[in-house]
Amino acid sequence: SQTIHQWPATLVQPVGSPLSLECTVEGTSNPNLYWYRQAAGRGLQLLFYSVGIGQISSEVPQNLSASRPQDRQFILSSKKLLLSDSGFYLCAWMPQGGFYEQYFGPGTRLTVT
Amino acid sequence: KQEVTQIPAALSVPEGENLVLNCSFTDSAIYNLQWFRQDPGKGLTSLLLIQSSQREQTSGRLNASLDKSSGRSTLYIAASQPGDSATYLCAVRPTDYGQNFVFGPGTRLSVLP
Repeated sequence: SQTIHQWPATLVQPVGSPLSLECTVEGTSNPNLYWYRQAAGRGLQLLFYSVGIGQISSEVPQNLSASRPQDRQFILSSKKLLLSDSGFYLCAWMPQGGFYEQYFGPGTRLTVT
Repeated sequence: KQEVTQIPAALSVPEGENLVLNCSFTDSAIYNLQWFRQDPGKGLTSLLLIQSSQREQTSGRLNASLDKSSGRSTLYIAASQPGDSATYLCAVRPTDYGQNFVFGPGTRLSVLP
């Protein structure tokens, strides 16, 4: 069966510090991968998605970036965090093509102070 | 541009009641629609996926219907239990949005014992 991991679970970082969040998927190959942000009391905002290694598409211009160094690894990064980057970050995966379900990881709670 | 709304934003019911959650979308050109639940501080759990060619899907006490032409889906929960308390989100996959989903803001459900 497939499993999706995210770490860390929680993170408190000062403004201006760097960020690296990691997501890995087990039990599948060549998945589509997604990063979402969920701000307090708001819906899910798609940040980045990837259909393959090194292929990243950005939905929202901001100071965040994403990378996919391996087939089942997706990393969200920032060089300098802003207060507005605080939120709940969710990684998700879905099988390529077709008409499949999307599956979510447990999330990372980021607080920028 | 596809937009998804969910009414009501919050709902409180006594245990044992049957209830209906609503999801509306503006563009009927979709591949499928997915219902999720989210417990506080957790990731999203997939409940049901309905393909555009289907009218409904059932899983246990849950039944989701889809009327693509009118841009509506409902999630019916039978014999509600306190453990059903969570936020319920719907998401549609538009045909012109690659392999991405558009999410609604969610309905926060409280089932009182």
